[in-house]
Amino acid sequence: EVQLVQSGAEVKKPGESLKISCKGSGYSFTSYWIVWVRQMPGKGLEWMGIINPSDSTTRYSPSFQGQVTISADESINTAYLQWSSLKASDIGMYYCARRSGGRTMYAFDIWGQGTMVTVSS
Amino acid sequence: DIQMTQSPSSVSASVGDRVTITCRASQVISTWLAWYQEKPGKAPKLLIYAASSLQSGVPSRFSGSGSGTDFTLTISSLQPEDFATYYCQQANSFPYTFGQGTKLEIK
Repeated sequence: EVQLVQSGAEVKKPGESLKISCKGSGYSFTSYWIVWVRQMPGKGLEWMGIINPSDSTTRYSPSFQGQVTISADESINTAYLQWSSLKASDIGMYYCARRSGGRTMYAFDIWGQGTMVTVSS
Repeated sequence: DIQMTQSPSSVSASVGDRVTITCRASQVISTWLAWYQEKPGKAPKLLIYAASSLQSGVPSRFSGSGSGTDFTLTISSLQPEDFATYYCQQANSFPYTFGQGTKLEIK
């Protein structure tokens, strides 16, 4: 079964660092880019950025550039999203998703279950 | 950045109704457009890719159309499980962007 499995919910304090993960299985992990999407409580979906796991090429939304770091470890089929210093405004559900191939015009066909991040003092 | 604008933001409808949601891009995106369905507590699900192609396993009552800047998602006969929030998303150029969502509610 093709799937993305994300790490569990996190509760952190402002200023703390955090790294969440997204592990792919059932397909060639390096053949598909991975995207990260944020959903703040009660709000819509926001595209954060994307990584090519085969060479770690990344692109970020201007809204998230410099605020987070996206990385990947192809040896363990895992992509990461990390913060060096969390803010209260980073609260939300974070999804990873697989960007499918050119035939689908790069739709996101497989999604992780989401990781809830809570930031509170 | 390409802005994606959906309308309406919310709509009330009954089981069996036909519903259309529109999505407009701020610049031409050809057919680099997808539609997703999101239900509370669940990850989004891909419904339509390349503006009009039905994702495998998605019921045929869902259809998409459009190209350039104007797109539509149509549900031909609403079923109880279709009440959810729907998003369009462009993949023509980085940064990829989503519409603000359309919440489909039971009348």
